[in-house]
Formats: sequence, C-alpha cells, structure tokens
Amino acid sequence: ETGVTQTPRHLVMGMTNKKSLKCEQHLGHNAMYWYKQSAKKPLELMFVYNFKEQTENNSVPSRFSPECPNSSHLFLHLHTLQPEDSALYLCASSQEPRGGDNEQFFGPGTRLTVL
Amino acid sequence: AQSVSQHNHHVILSEAASLELGCNYSYGGTVNLFWYVQYPGQHLQLLLKYFSGDPLVKGIKGFEAEFIKSKFSFNLRKPSVQWSDTAEYFCAVTDSNYQLIWGAGTKLIIKP
Repeated sequence: ETGVTQTPRHLVMGMTNKKSLKCEQHLGHNAMYWYKQSAKKPLELMFVYNFKEQTENNSVPSRFSPECPNSSHLFLHLHTLQPEDSALYLCASSQEPRGGDNEQFFGPGTRLTVL
Repeated sequence: AQSVSQHNHHVILSEAASLELGCNYSYGGTVNLFWYVQYPGQHLQLLLKYFSGDPLVKGIKGFEAEFIKSKFSFNLRKPSVQWSDTAEYFCAVTDSNYQLIWGAGTKLIIKP
C-alpha cells in the first residue's frame, strides 16, 4: 500500500474509554504530523515528529498522547476525551521540513465521535 | 504569528464559470505557499505550491495561483470550472518554523 494510511477510519467512544489512532506512511519521509480538522475552522496542528523526535506540541491537552516508535508509524492515544474533541483527525508526513520542500502528504483521516 | 485568511467560506458557481479564491497571509518574510483540495470523501491533496521563482504557479487540473508579495496574497484561479471541481479548498503558508499555517477553507459547489 502506498501513501499515508490511517486506522480506524471511524471511531465512536465514550468519555471514559481509551483508544488509539494509528498512522503509517510508505513514502520514506522523516516528519509526521497530527492535525485536528473541525468544520469551518483551520486545520489545527497538534503534534510534529521529526526523525522520531517530537518537535512541536501546540498546547494540546494531555488527554491526547502521541507516540512515534519509528519514522514510518505514528500513534495518537486517546483517554477521557470530551465531546468537543469530536472531529476528523488527520495524519500527514513530509520530508524534513527545514530541507525546503515541506509539502505534506495526508491520510484519509479518522472521524472521531465522543459521546 | 503567521495567520492565513480565506475570504469566502462558500462559493457557488455554474459550470464553465471562472474561479478565483482569495488567500492572504500576515507574515511578510520568506514564505512557502500551498493550495490543497479535499474532494468529498477523499483525503487532502496538493493542488500547487510556490517556493521561489515565477510567481505564477500552475498546478494540477488546470488550476493556477499567483503570488503577489506586495499584497501578501496567493489567490487560486481556474478559467473554466467543471462539476468535478466541487470540493473544499485550503490555502496554507509556512511559518518561521517551517510548519504549515492553514486557512479555514472555502467550500466550492459547481452547479451542473
């Protein structure tokens, strides 16, 4: 499989559940990203990993916990979420951003609903 | 801090009409500029990008964008739209850390 894949595509969870989102990129990139996409709002950058090291954490609540075991895989662990966390969560990858071409390639997203 | 403004949240056009979607950014330094498109039910994909050189950039599917540095703008254009152009369009600009800052998107509906 090519490109950026995400699983699951849809997730419904209660506020007390613990779940994880998975992202895998098959493009040989060094950087991976988690974004939150809500209707009528700009994409919100949540986390950036560059060569497996977290380089950005944009004031994301601790109920979201990222993990990057290698440059091809990225996880987002979720626990005790709130209904306002319902959104489309997008994963993206790119070459090392400071290399000049920081074009990002996106996965299809996980549609998360928190009840 | 860098910010991106897309002027229209919704645009409705008839087939064969000309399209121009506005994008303005706030930070005046060296920037990289992008337009992405999200077709219904599909993932975000790149339409075109500007890093340097000719300020008129041509992308896929007949789209083009013009970088006007003095106006902090990077408007997207297409001379004649098709029903298949119905999608949401996002402008993005790099910040000083090379991360992408996104506009809120413009939903384009093309009436057949």
